[in-house]
Amino acid sequence: SYELTQPPSVSVSPGQTARITCSGDALPKKYAYWYQQKSGQAPVLVIYEDSKRPSGIPERFSGSSSGTMATLTISGAQVEDEADYYCYSTDSSGNHSKVFGGGTKLTVL
Amino acid sequence: QVQLVQSGAEVKKPGASVKVSCKASGYTFTSYGISWVRQAPGQGLEWMGWISAYNGNTNYAQKLQGRVTMTTDTSTSTAYMELRSLRSDDTAVYYCARSPPWGDSFPDYWGQGTLVTVSS
Repeated sequence: SYELTQPPSVSVSPGQTARITCSGDALPKKYAYWYQQKSGQAPVLVIYEDSKRPSGIPERFSGSSSGTMATLTISGAQVEDEADYYCYSTDSSGNHSKVFGGGTKLTVL
Repeated sequence: QVQLVQSGAEVKKPGASVKVSCKASGYTFTSYGISWVRQAPGQGLEWMGWISAYNGNTNYAQKLQGRVTMTTDTSTSTAYMELRSLRSDDTAVYYCARSPPWGDSFPDYWGQGTLVTVSS
């Protein structure tokens, strides 16, 4: 089955740039999406179609994709950005199956 | 504003079934689909499947095929997810989420989640 691979954890100091990666064989052909999940809350969409930002999401959140890797970048990370982040995409094998990455715990301290 | 309100927590015995509801408001229900995603305690997100609220077409995760059924009631703008033959590893928070019927059917707005506990 298709898998998306994320690092388990990323740590930055407040004001630094955090980068979270997501690798998958189908990413050259399929969009990546990113979700933020704070403790005890439902996920929130922060990036869709590789690099688009939904209304209400701060400009410090950006996304990019190149080859088999998508990247979520948080420029000037804030303490309130501390959360789990998940990428999401589609299998390109034709079965239209969707998958989430394993998640990355972002620590900002 | 888009809202998805899910039914309350459930406790079930192994082998039983559970049916979780998700009532949508703030948008045209039949113009979107509903995705279902679950999260076991301390674990990541797992995509379960998607249903079109327009025509009822479904796309289920292969590992749940045969045990899961997703339906919608357009008269009440409510989606349902039924999971049968419950096992202890089905214990999780179950989320519904609005998902466009085009492209990758990505979840955009999420419900608050429903905890389903499977225990003897």
